[in-house]
Amino acid sequence: QKEVEQNSGPLSVPEGAIASLNCTYSDRVSQSFFWYRQYSGKSPELIMSIYSNGDKEDGRFTAQLNKASQYVSLLIRDSQPSDSATYLCAVTRGDLNAGGTSYGKLTFGQGTILTVHP
Amino acid sequence: DARVTQTPRDKVTEMGQEVTMRCQPILGHNTVFWYRQTMMQGLELLAYFRNRAPLDDSGMPKDRFSAEMPDATLATLKIQPSEPRDSAVYFCASGFLGNEQFFGPGTRLTVL
Repeated sequence: QKEVEQNSGPLSVPEGAIASLNCTYSDRVSQSFFWYRQYSGKSPELIMSIYSNGDKEDGRFTAQLNKASQYVSLLIRDSQPSDSATYLCAVTRGDLNAGGTSYGKLTFGQGTILTVHP
Repeated sequence: DARVTQTPRDKVTEMGQEVTMRCQPILGHNTVFWYRQTMMQGLELLAYFRNRAPLDDSGMPKDRFSAEMPDATLATLKIQPSEPRDSAVYFCASGFLGNEQFFGPGTRLTVL
């Protein structure tokens, strides 16, 4: 089982719809969760971070975390063609060498390709 | 506008040659990461540093790869000798006390 799993897609949604991206992780001691967006030929760009159970909203983006189910998701409302990209889920756990303080050693999923068509 | 910078942006070299990639982290960040991205493997962590000290380089082929931070404003990743299987995009990322990481533009390496 991969540490972080995402549906590779492609996920295709019409412009204006809600895009729902999902991610599961295997390590129960995972502490912090991130969504990165990566356009083709570009570097990953951090768009959301979430640390506690529940929802976190930022503009058109909502991240949802359920630690009991080891599940994190990203919702994109009013999807635009410019949202077409690969979305990477990333997870980090506490770093035992540092007394439990997280040093941000991220484990990435393989990414979900999102296409928003006009 | 604080950004991670990387040089070179593109590098084409022949098998057996030494390759050096450089990264300047965001000023004030104390954690630096090196990643490699390929279509097959996705994003893989090669090594990372905190306050210039190496914390983990278990993702790196030890016989040919080396990573250093000569000072707080410069991280280097060297491959010697390079092989065609090293062809990938290499990203540097930086952060403060872990957690949120910000990526540089990457170095696209092609080894012929």
